Amino acid sequence: SSELTQDTAVSVALGQTVRITCQGDSLRSYYASWYQQKPGQAPVLVFYGKNNRPSGIPDRFSGSTSGDTASLTITGAQAEDEADYYCNSRDNSESHHYVFGPGTQVTVL
Amino acid sequence: QVQLVQSGTEVKKPGSSVKVSCKASGDTFNNLIFAWVRQAPGQGLEWMGGITPIFGATKYAQQFKGRVTITADKSTSSAFMELSRLRSEDTAVYFCARVMLQGDTDWFDAWGQGTLVTVSS
Repeated sequence: SSELTQDTAVSVALGQTVRITCQGDSLRSYYASWYQQKPGQAPVLVFYGKNNRPSGIPDRFSGSTSGDTASLTITGAQAEDEADYYCNSRDNSESHHYVFGPGTQVTVL
Repeated sequence: QVQLVQSGTEVKKPGSSVKVSCKASGDTFNNLIFAWVRQAPGQGLEWMGGITPIFGATKYAQQFKGRVTITADKSTSSAFMELSRLRSEDTAVYFCARVMLQGDTDWFDAWGQGTLVTVSS
């Protein structure tokens, strides 16, 4: 099956910009989706596809893809953005299987 | 907006089975595709499998094949995940999610609240 890799942790100063990356061969074929998860809560979809942000997600969240790497950018990070972020894509070795990245812990300083 | 409500906390003995339910509301059941995702304590998200109820089609992650069974019941608008031969490593929060598909893009746009399953002797 496919694998996705992410940085373990990143930190960002309040109001600054942080980019979280997700790398894997499946991203050459399928777009990533991104999930924010706070402790004790279910994940929340924050971005997906080429350029889609769900209703209710602040526009400081944006995404992009280049080659085998997908990125989620938080422009003007807020304290409430401190969370774990997971990427996901369809597995390109098995039809309609999915794979999650290991997650990136984002700390807002 | 679809809402997913899962069954409650479970405590199981090693070697036994657990069945977690996920009741959907807010959309036509046959329009739904479900995924099951688990998260062990302090760990990341792991896709276990999914079901497309209208076709009865299921997919299972290789590491769970033979132990997991995912079903759906249109009469109760519910999906179910049964995991057998439980071991301590199966202690986790289990989530159901609604899967949306569009071309080369898939996403999980609604999640249940999670069900904690503890496996302990």
